Amino acid sequence: NAGVTQTPKFRVLKTGQSMTLLCAQDMNHEYMYWYRQDPGMGLRLIHYSVGEGTTAKGEVPDGYNVSRLKKQNFLLGLESAAPSQTSVYFCASSYSKYATDEQYFGPGTRLTVT
Amino acid sequence: AQSVTQLGSHVSVSEGALVLLRCNYSSSVPPYLFWYVQYPNQGLQLLLKYTSAATLVKGINGFEAEFKKSETSFHLTKPSAHMSDAAEYFCAVSDGLTGGGNKLTFGTGTQLKVEL
Repeated sequence: NAGVTQTPKFRVLKTGQSMTLLCAQDMNHEYMYWYRQDPGMGLRLIHYSVGEGTTAKGEVPDGYNVSRLKKQNFLLGLESAAPSQTSVYFCASSYSKYATDEQYFGPGTRLTVT
Repeated sequence: AQSVTQLGSHVSVSEGALVLLRCNYSSSVPPYLFWYVQYPNQGLQLLLKYTSAATLVKGINGFEAEFKKSETSFHLTKPSAHMSDAAEYFCAVSDGLTGGGNKLTFGTGTQLKVEL
């Protein structure tokens, strides 16, 4: 049982390049989330999904797109990377619809945009 | 909107000493509160959560937190620090999301250093 995995672990992009971050979970969780972590700011929600085929905007969605074609996968895309998107990206998943539910986090992807 | 504030971005304690990490929340409704720990180069791991049952919540690795409504606080404590406790700790408050699931709003984190 791998839990939540993220690919890749590290990436360096040049301004204007595009890339996709992959998140996979093997816990049959319905809900999945993408966060970014910046120094001194905690984690902020980018986008989330409440089930296969659904996505919704979080707190800081600009410059990102997401897709949830399969229940176990949640993809985060950057169409035209900017230096402000240099960050550590975390994917998380949770089982139920309730606000009391724990979120399970992946190990993160460290992205640098030059 | 709900929010949490963590006082002290860095805390240093001696091994064996009491650990106290502070978290205050702002919420117009009874909050659901979480403490997560992040070890270097790893994702976040749940330490404990408050969901309006017992006000004193026990978590993993000997940590506990007490919900105090009068003080709007949810401070994290451990009686005796161990070197392995060195990590970054995040307090978070949970909001329900449209359609289900929950949005965690995190504090800015407290880096705990444990010295010999």
